[in-house]
Amino acid sequence: DAKTTQPPSMDCAEGRAANLPCNHSTISGNEYVYWYRQIHSQGPQYIIHGLKNNETNEMASLIITEDRKSSTLILPHATLRDTAVYYCIVRVANNQGGKLIFGQGTELSVKP
Amino acid sequence: DGGITQSPKYLFRKEGQNVTLSCEQNLNHDAMYWYRQDPGQGLRLIYYSQIVNDFQKGDIAEGYSVSREKKESFPLTVTSAQKNPTAFYLCASSEPSGKYNEQFFGPGTRLTVL
Repeated sequence: DAKTTQPPSMDCAEGRAANLPCNHSTISGNEYVYWYRQIHSQGPQYIIHGLKNNETNEMASLIITEDRKSSTLILPHATLRDTAVYYCIVRVANNQGGKLIFGQGTELSVKP
Repeated sequence: DGGITQSPKYLFRKEGQNVTLSCEQNLNHDAMYWYRQDPGQGLRLIYYSQIVNDFQKGDIAEGYSVSREKKESFPLTVTSAQKNPTAFYLCASSEPSGKYNEQFFGPGTRLTVL
């Protein structure tokens, strides 16, 4: 599974869009980009995933560049409850073992 | 409600004692996982099981043991051989036959060895 690089921390004003970047320059053609988040002292929560097309669900949008070497998770209207560590993970869907390789993620602080 | 339960939320043990962490899921998932998280770090895989009566070592299995006698249960034993057992332990499950293999996590157990 390819490695990802994320900024260690970011701030965002409440009500504004939070744009979290992720670099995955060694991504392979069959690897998906997944995003999870972890609120302090809780288990991680799945947010969204994508292969090459942009994706949107009720939580967020995922923008993947055309060369697939980077992506951005967008929380359109951040709230205080979105304060968490956000993990970008690249892996083959349905790979053997199914393990997720978590880096250190981006600690997002949403401020009033 | 479907989900994953881990108990207890906080656990204290004396050094040298084995301790077993519980993980139960009612999502009817075949695959289950145990991760360890240290302060300020990401998660690291300890053991995983893709089907009942079968499990494999993850990246940091030394000092841990598991069993998978039932589909809904995947207990983790932290043995006295684990040199630094104090950590936050997370259990997850997924449906590996599903295309995207999204993992669902429990609330975690925070183990402190005194």
